[in-house]
Amino acid sequence: QQQVKQSPQSLIVQKGGISIINCAYENTAFDYFPWYQQFPGKGPALLIAIRPDVSEKKEGRFTISFNKSAKQFSLHIMDSQPGDSATYFCAASMLNGAGNKLTFGGGTRVLVKP
Amino acid sequence: KAGVTQTPRYLIKTRGQQVTLSCSPISGHRSVSWYQQTPGQGLQFLFEYFSETQRNKGNFPGRFSGRQFSNSRSEMNVSTLELGDSALYLCASSVTGNANTEAFFGQGTRLTVV
Repeated sequence: QQQVKQSPQSLIVQKGGISIINCAYENTAFDYFPWYQQFPGKGPALLIAIRPDVSEKKEGRFTISFNKSAKQFSLHIMDSQPGDSATYFCAASMLNGAGNKLTFGGGTRVLVKP
Repeated sequence: KAGVTQTPRYLIKTRGQQVTLSCSPISGHRSVSWYQQTPGQGLQFLFEYFSETQRNKGNFPGRFSGRQFSNSRSEMNVSTLELGDSALYLCASSVTGNANTEAFFGQGTRLTVV
């Protein structure tokens, strides 16, 4: 059972454009939602994270929007740059869960064309 | 500050063999988690260790096991290797292993089973 569904699987955006990645979760016990960025040959790196008591969080060009009632959250990359070309993963976990168990979405490969 | 170190970076094993992968966490981090990354299944949680105790375990067969030493270094072992075990194995360390503390990933060990 895929508990976190991510879309699209891939997207191409022009430099300066907006990249939007969507995720939906099923388990209402999830209460922490990080996004990870992964470059080829590297491990994932934390980009930004949000808790469900906040509807939006912005860090630089990256913004998470969160809709608790719809059990959906999304990542917006504003003014996309070629250096943003990477695979992005949404994830979910439980703050009160034992151990740091992240449930990941399937990933979105983003290509920013110059 | 050194990052998470995983050794070896690449491994080729024959079906039926066993393999041991190593992870050295960031200094001061007491939690180590392991993930399997494949093109088909994405990133899947294997298990998490904190202070030498396994606190959480994913849905993997008993052939997958791990341990953590008193210096927080961790190893995972896969016995009776199957072709489907070919994957990138990632470990992540964090200070406490709580969901809202950042998990830092290593570059992974690429295991190929032939």
